[in-house]
Amino acid sequence: QLQLQESGPGLVKPSETLSLTCTVSGDSISSSGYYWGWIRQPPGKGLEWIGSIFYSGNTYYNPSLKSRVTISVDTSKNQFSLNLSSVTAADTAVYSCARHKHLACFDYWGQGTLVTVSS
Amino acid sequence: DIQMTQSPSSLSASVGDRVTITCQASQDISNYLNWYQQKPGKAPKLLIYDASNLETGVPSRFSGSGSGTDFTFTISSLQPEDIATYYCQQYDNLPQSTFGQGTRLEIK
Repeated sequence: QLQLQESGPGLVKPSETLSLTCTVSGDSISSSGYYWGWIRQPPGKGLEWIGSIFYSGNTYYNPSLKSRVTISVDTSKNQFSLNLSSVTAADTAVYSCARHKHLACFDYWGQGTLVTVSS
Repeated sequence: DIQMTQSPSSLSASVGDRVTITCQASQDISNYLNWYQQKPGKAPKLLIYDASNLETGVPSRFSGSGSGTDFTFTISSLQPEDIATYYCQQYDNLPQSTFGQGTRLEIK
């Protein structure tokens, strides 16, 4: 059974970089042939796709966040990571990792982790 | 950017009711649309992909239809466990993907 689990700080100061890691179990990132993505949901609001990565390192980002986002992959640890720089309060959200099947649908999700941007 | 307009934003219905949610795209997206269910405090769950295909394991009371710009999500007979927020998601302009604003479904 495929499982994803986010980890990282729950509190980040304004102007700093938000860093999260998603650990995948039950399947190998490098052999599955799928993309792996990040999605966020500000409190009380809707879902926003942040970006996705292939095991080879090929990445796609939401244009609205592209200048601040970096997604990387570590196949040896079966993990992929999100870095979001220069954060503000508007970046406060539940951040979730998910399998981005054929870049079309998100069919497996992590439980999500709340990241608050505050001094 | 393709905008997705979901309606209604909230909905109250009785157990056994037929429930319909609509999603309208700002341009033709063919059938590149998915539907998700999100229960409070939980991650979204994929219910319908490619507008009308039921994800494995999802009850048959859930269905989707539509193509082009207008899409419909239906619960044929509302059950108490269906209380959730439902989202549509378009993926016409790969790799970009956008979600509707969600429909909060409550029991009357």
